[in-house]
Amino acid sequence: DQQVKQNSPSLSVQEGRISILNCDYTNSMFDYFLWYKKYPAEGPTFLISISSIKDKNEDGRFTVFLNKSAKHLSLHIVPSQPGDSAVYFCAASAEFGNEKLTFGTGTRLTIIP
Amino acid sequence: ETGVTQTPRHLVMGMTNKKSLKCEQHLGHNAMYWYKQSAKKPLELMFVYNFKEQTENNSVPSRFSPECPNSSHLFLHLHTLQPEDSALYLCASSVAANEKLFFGSGTQLSVL
Repeated sequence: DQQVKQNSPSLSVQEGRISILNCDYTNSMFDYFLWYKKYPAEGPTFLISISSIKDKNEDGRFTVFLNKSAKHLSLHIVPSQPGDSAVYFCAASAEFGNEKLTFGTGTRLTIIP
Repeated sequence: ETGVTQTPRHLVMGMTNKKSLKCEQHLGHNAMYWYKQSAKKPLELMFVYNFKEQTENNSVPSRFSPECPNSSHLFLHLHTLQPEDSALYLCASSVAANEKLFFGSGTQLSVL
């Protein structure tokens, strides 16, 4: 039973437009959420995180929104750039610790020049 | 370059072989992890070491045996694997157990 779900395996967005990647979770105990980005032949790299006491966190072109009542978070990238083409993983933790980090299956984002 | 180096990058082994995956981090971190990524599945946490002590074993079969001789090195010893163990094995490290993860590039393992 997957506790963190990324229902869109792939997404294509025109360069310069907004990319929105979605993530749903089922465990109401999750209180810390992260996004990782992965290029081919490389390991995932940390992108941005948010704790459950906030509903929005912004870092440059990347913003993560958290809707606790809907158990939903999203990653917005604006404007999208070709270098953003990668697989994006959503992850969640119930104890603000990596021992219990649960990942989604990832969404492959392709930015069209 | 994230400061976490994994070798080998690719490994093909038979079911009766014994092999080891190696991970080294040059970041001064205290926690190290093994993750498994199978096709179309989420990353699965296998083992966690915090200050060289194993703090998590996520119900991993005994044919996978981790070793952490010091806080900079982590090994995953493999023996009598099954074809379904074919996957990308990722090592990661963090400053402490509740800090963000730095991943290596992984070892793509194929079991024949």
